Amino acid sequence: GDSVTQMEGPVTLSEEAFLTINCTYTATGYPSLFWYVQYPGEGLQLLLKATKADDKGSNKGFEATYRKETTSFHLEKGSVQVSDSAVYFCALSKSGTYKYIFGTGTRLKVLA
Amino acid sequence: DAGVIQSPRHEVTEMGQEVTLRCKPISGHNSLFWYRQTMMRGLELLIYFNNNVPIDDSGMPEDRFSAKMPNASFSTLKIQPSEPRDSAVYFCASSLGAGTSNQPQHFGDGTRLSIL
Repeated sequence: GDSVTQMEGPVTLSEEAFLTINCTYTATGYPSLFWYVQYPGEGLQLLLKATKADDKGSNKGFEATYRKETTSFHLEKGSVQVSDSAVYFCALSKSGTYKYIFGTGTRLKVLA
Repeated sequence: DAGVIQSPRHEVTEMGQEVTLRCKPISGHNSLFWYRQTMMRGLELLIYFNNNVPIDDSGMPEDRFSAKMPNASFSTLKIQPSEPRDSAVYFCASSLGAGTSNQPQHFGDGTRLSIL
């Protein structure tokens, strides 16, 4: 079946460091891909999305490119801030099915 | 724009009591989801409604759990009787046209439930 695999956390970085959180997926057809962020005590918020191969989603300095050849959608940010500390979820959805498949989440800690 | 609104934000109650969680989806969204989040199991889909009709409740843990959506702007998740293992954060999410692939889900801030 369809699945999303994320790197294990926590990821601990110093402020202004470069961030990569890996996400790979298994799915038939052409899924849409999403990154969500969950801050402490809050719900998941959509961070960015990409709906077809080679699309790049971007928001708040975060980017991710839909790579069909490697079935990946890695999240990157050039310079993280303490305020980026949160849990990040990769997810996919497919046309014709209502289910969204979420990864297990990766906790990011950014130290000042 | 108002997002998904859940109430209460926190609920602490004793084992055996009835618990009702409430959700108001984003206006115009026709798909509604209830999730449960725990450290052990992560994010679990409990039930999915489309146009107010329950489509898939296979994730509901047992008969103690029930969910309703009487109209397009309101849904409830009820646990009766509650047990300590039901302690978790419960999220409601809505979307426009689930199944059309490129529509994201929008989550509420959740209800943190503690059963003593």
